[in-house]
Amino acid sequence: KAGVTQTPRYLIKTRGQQVTLSCSPISGHRSVSWYQQTPGQGLQFLFEYFSETQRNKGNFPGRFSGRQFSNSRSEMNVSTLELGDSALYLCASRPYQNTGELFFGEGSRLTVL
Amino acid sequence: GDSVTQMEGPVTLSEEAFLTINCTYTATGYPSLFWYVQYPGEGLQLLLKATKADDKGSNKGFEATYRKETTSFHLEKGSVQVSDSAVYFCALSDSGAGSYQLTFGKGTKLSVIP
Repeated sequence: KAGVTQTPRYLIKTRGQQVTLSCSPISGHRSVSWYQQTPGQGLQFLFEYFSETQRNKGNFPGRFSGRQFSNSRSEMNVSTLELGDSALYLCASRPYQNTGELFFGEGSRLTVL
Repeated sequence: GDSVTQMEGPVTLSEEAFLTINCTYTATGYPSLFWYVQYPGEGLQLLLKATKADDKGSNKGFEATYRKETTSFHLEKGSVQVSDSAVYFCALSDSGAGSYQLTFGKGTKLSVIP
């Protein structure tokens, strides 16, 4: 069974640009969550989607957005990039909404110059 | 809000040494508790979990007991190996408001030397 797949794995952007990251969950998993990992703040929850609906959102500015498609694949977008957005963005999936283990992808490492 | 505090590393141990990584939490309600591990260049993997007080989670020689009275979930292993070198994260779940999210500690980097 394929794991959680995130693309791209690495990317470099400049301030002011926008970026879109993609996540394909494990087959059959309907919940997708996104986390930001930085050395200073650690792992922080961005948002969770279940059945194409955003169920919860962390404490991030509106520049961070996401969506989920009918096949459970998810994308997150960051607009007007800032240097502080440089981070590892991790996607995780689960089969159900409120229970179960989170399965993480390897992450997309974003560097903002 | 919910929070997790774990001992900060890095921690360096010799092979076969005893490992303890302390973790305490603050939460409303009755969260589930987890330890995740992140090997270099990889995403997080669930190491073990406990869903209620006095539960003991165990996996690959690692153990942790959910202690409600001390709000703790310390990770232990009797004899570490070089392959255990990784970053360990303590986390709790919050399934309120119709959603589910993990609150993580800052992580503890473990290096095991031969």
